[in-house]
Amino acid sequence: GESVGLHLPTLSVQEGDNSIINCAYSNSASDYFIWYKQESGKGPQFIIDIRSNMDKRQGQRVTVLLNKTVKHLSLQIAATQPGDSAVYFCAEIVWNNAGNMLTFGGGTRLMVKP
Amino acid sequence: GAGVSQSPSNKVTEKGKDVELRCDPISGHTALYWYRQSLGQGLEFLIYFQGNSAPDKSGLPSDRFSAERTGGSVSTLTIQRTQQEDSAVYLCASSLDRGVEDTQYFGPGTRLTVL
Repeated sequence: GESVGLHLPTLSVQEGDNSIINCAYSNSASDYFIWYKQESGKGPQFIIDIRSNMDKRQGQRVTVLLNKTVKHLSLQIAATQPGDSAVYFCAEIVWNNAGNMLTFGGGTRLMVKP
Repeated sequence: GAGVSQSPSNKVTEKGKDVELRCDPISGHTALYWYRQSLGQGLEFLIYFQGNSAPDKSGLPSDRFSAERTGGSVSTLTIQRTQQEDSAVYLCASSLDRGVEDTQYFGPGTRLTVL
């Protein structure tokens, strides 16, 4: 069963198209950002990360863009596949003496139409 | 190698009962985190362990919630006198260390339903 809220924003894309998922973060002191993918009934899986001193990072079929001026993060998925259907969360990380504190955004549901 | 495991995968309990949730982190990971994922509220941080100590308990929602970690490995999250608003998926994550770039790896979660 679904483990996240029913009222998540949803992005619906056609298989093969590119997807862009956006996230706004709140803490200008955040050091590091991660995108997680969560499929139904599973825990979040790491996709890609970016440090606060970078504005772009590329992985396999995924690119993360960071705009610190407006505190905005985006995840671009190239040639979206049905297996990409999931909920995507961005997480901002602030390191303090207590450790590595993740704060998660609300999530976006990606639905890929065959 | 084995990932983070959690048990039970599902727990249904009656209001007022106590429940205990278990997390087995990845071997060698010193940092362990508990999160809660409630319907419509996304992921919420609860508590963090470095070794067996919990330097940050700020996310525990009430004094009915407690957690411990023994031997720098297994952790248990205990909820006493459960309430219906405790119904959620409880996720555990571990990371090699507590550095800012130490990726947290998540378990599958325990779905708790309080009737």
